[in-house]
Amino acid sequence: NAGVTQTPKFQVLKTGQSMTLQCAQDMNHNSMYWYRQDPGMGLRLIYYSASEGTTDKGEVPNGYNVSRLNKREFSLRLESAAPSQTSVYFCASSEGGGTEAFFGQGTRLTVV
Amino acid sequence: GQSLEQPSEVTAVEGAIVQINCTYQTSGFYGLSWYQQHDGGAPTFLSYNALDGLEETGRFSSFLSRSDSYGYLLLQELQMKDSASYFCAVGTGRRALTFGSGTRLQVQP
Repeated sequence: NAGVTQTPKFQVLKTGQSMTLQCAQDMNHNSMYWYRQDPGMGLRLIYYSASEGTTDKGEVPNGYNVSRLNKREFSLRLESAAPSQTSVYFCASSEGGGTEAFFGQGTRLTVV
Repeated sequence: GQSLEQPSEVTAVEGAIVQINCTYQTSGFYGLSWYQQHDGGAPTFLSYNALDGLEETGRFSSFLSRSDSYGYLLLQELQMKDSASYFCAVGTGRRALTFGSGTRLQVQP
């Protein structure tokens, strides 16, 4: 049982480049989330999806876009990467808001 | 918007009991949960309270008072492996899950 799978695990981008972070869950969860975590900081919500076909902005959505491709997959796109987007990105899923959330392993992104 | 407050650091000795508090301000409350994160790892779920009262899971317990917008995580019989960051999180309107800034627990021999 894979749980939540994120790809890639590591990525280095140049300023201005674009990339998509992929996330898939196999637990049939309705809700999926993207967070970023900066060193020594908490998890800040970028975007979330309460169900297939819906997405909502979180605390720090600027510079990002998301797609809930189907119930399993929720991708995060950086259209024009900036050094301020250097961070660890976590995808998570849960049955509903506030209940047990399962996290992927994280993507360590560096923008130079 | 949503905000959660928890202490930034706590230090305790092996075998002791430690309590990590969390106060929150939010709309559309759907429960308070707790997560553990070791350095370099992903957060892992510890406990969830939807209703007032105490939930016990082994050495860990979590408490919620919705009228006070307050909860805590209680860790008993501390072990060195409990050294980690602990986050409270609230489920809010439209099913968002918002995290506090985390409490770094250091367990000393």
